[in-house]
Amino acid sequence: DIVMTQSPDSLAVSLGERATINCKSSQSVLYSSNNKNYLAWYQQKPGQPPKLLIYWASTRESGVPDRFSGSGSGTDFTLTINSLQAEDVAVYYCQQYYNTAPYTFGQGTKLEIK
Amino acid sequence: EVQLVESGGGFVQPGGSLRLSCAASGFAFSSYWMIWVRQAPGKGLEWVADIKPDGAERHYLDSVKGRFTVSRDNAKNSLYLQMYSLRAEDTAVYYCATGAWFGEHWGQGTLVTVSS
Repeated sequence: DIVMTQSPDSLAVSLGERATINCKSSQSVLYSSNNKNYLAWYQQKPGQPPKLLIYWASTRESGVPDRFSGSGSGTDFTLTINSLQAEDVAVYYCQQYYNTAPYTFGQGTKLEIK
Repeated sequence: EVQLVESGGGFVQPGGSLRLSCAASGFAFSSYWMIWVRQAPGKGLEWVADIKPDGAERHYLDSVKGRFTVSRDNAKNSLYLQMYSLRAEDTAVYYCATGAWFGEHWGQGTLVTVSS
């Protein structure tokens, strides 16, 4: 199975500043036939289910603010949150959906306000 | 509006069984892959199983193979997860979600507690 490792485990960022969360896969999740990275990002607030933010590594889900962006390719990916808002406090997860199941998640990154 | 409502969770002893349900509405259920994802208390997300729209293809997490069965009834817009031989490590909130690979829409989850 592909192992997803996020860094850091937690971070604190000031309001209005940028937050950067990294995700590394144990093998490439880039499909050469279509040049797509099989990588998604989720946000989970306390007591709520996960919310899809980004898929195909950089495609923003409908309704997600444009301060959220995804980048990277192959094995290294980044979720960037610009101009951090109070409502962005949450745990963020990456997930790979390359090849066949199981589609593994990273361990999560807890984002707090400094 | 897409709605997914899980039910069937509860307290069960090790070795016991439980059947979870997920009632879907607001979208063409019979056209969508569906997935089950779980989250142990205070822990991260774990993909459990998925099922093709016609039910002909299913995949499972290795640790639940042979113990869990995912199924669906498209006439009833419902998804199920039959769980047998439950273990303490199966204790989690179980979410159903739409999507072939990643979860697009999620239910609120149902808690399964396995303990003696």
